[in-house]
Amino acid sequence: DQQVKQNSPSLSVQEGRISILNCDYTNSMFDYFLWYKKYPAEGPTFLISISSIKDKNEDGRFTVFLNKSAKHLSLHIVPSQPGDSAVYFCAASGNQFYFGTGTSLTVIP
Amino acid sequence: GAVVSQHPSRVICKSGTSVKIECRSLDFQATTMFWYRQFPKQSLMLMATSNEGSKATYEQGVEKDKFLINHASLTLSTLTVTSAHPEDSSFYICSATQDSQQGRLGGYTFGSGTRLTVV
Repeated sequence: DQQVKQNSPSLSVQEGRISILNCDYTNSMFDYFLWYKKYPAEGPTFLISISSIKDKNEDGRFTVFLNKSAKHLSLHIVPSQPGDSAVYFCAASGNQFYFGTGTSLTVIP
Repeated sequence: GAVVSQHPSRVICKSGTSVKIECRSLDFQATTMFWYRQFPKQSLMLMATSNEGSKATYEQGVEKDKFLINHASLTLSTLTVTSAHPEDSSFYICSATQDSQQGRLGGYTFGSGTRLTVV
């Protein structure tokens, strides 16, 4: 049973524009949400997180929004840069980590 | 920053043989290590959690006799896939943390993963 879903396997965005990556979850007991970034041949690296008691967390060009009523979170990257091209995983923390299937972002120069 | 080294990155083995995957924390003591498996187009699925010096805790549906996990030191955990079969072909990845609470908040460090192909 997939408790964390990323329905878009890929996304292409022009450099300088906004990238929006989406993630949905099913378990209302999750209390922490994270985004990881993964380059080819490397392990995922932590990018940004948000507690369930907040609805927004911002770190430089990266902002994560949480809509608990919709069980939806999103990652906004503004402005997008070619170096942001990677696979992005969202994860939810409960008794363990639950990962989405990833969205491959391509930022076109 | 914290680094986790995972080897090998790719391995091809014959059906019925065993394969060992190593996960090392290079600059921190990993009190807890996790092993994940990812099938194509699916998410990372937790297989087991291991704490240094104690037996691993396996997730439901993961055969502990098939996937042997050893975490004998604070810097090394190994996953051995015994009597591998083609259906065991997958991407295996470890992660480690020095502090479970910090890890939960994003402090887990991942290895680069191992692509296992059983022929």
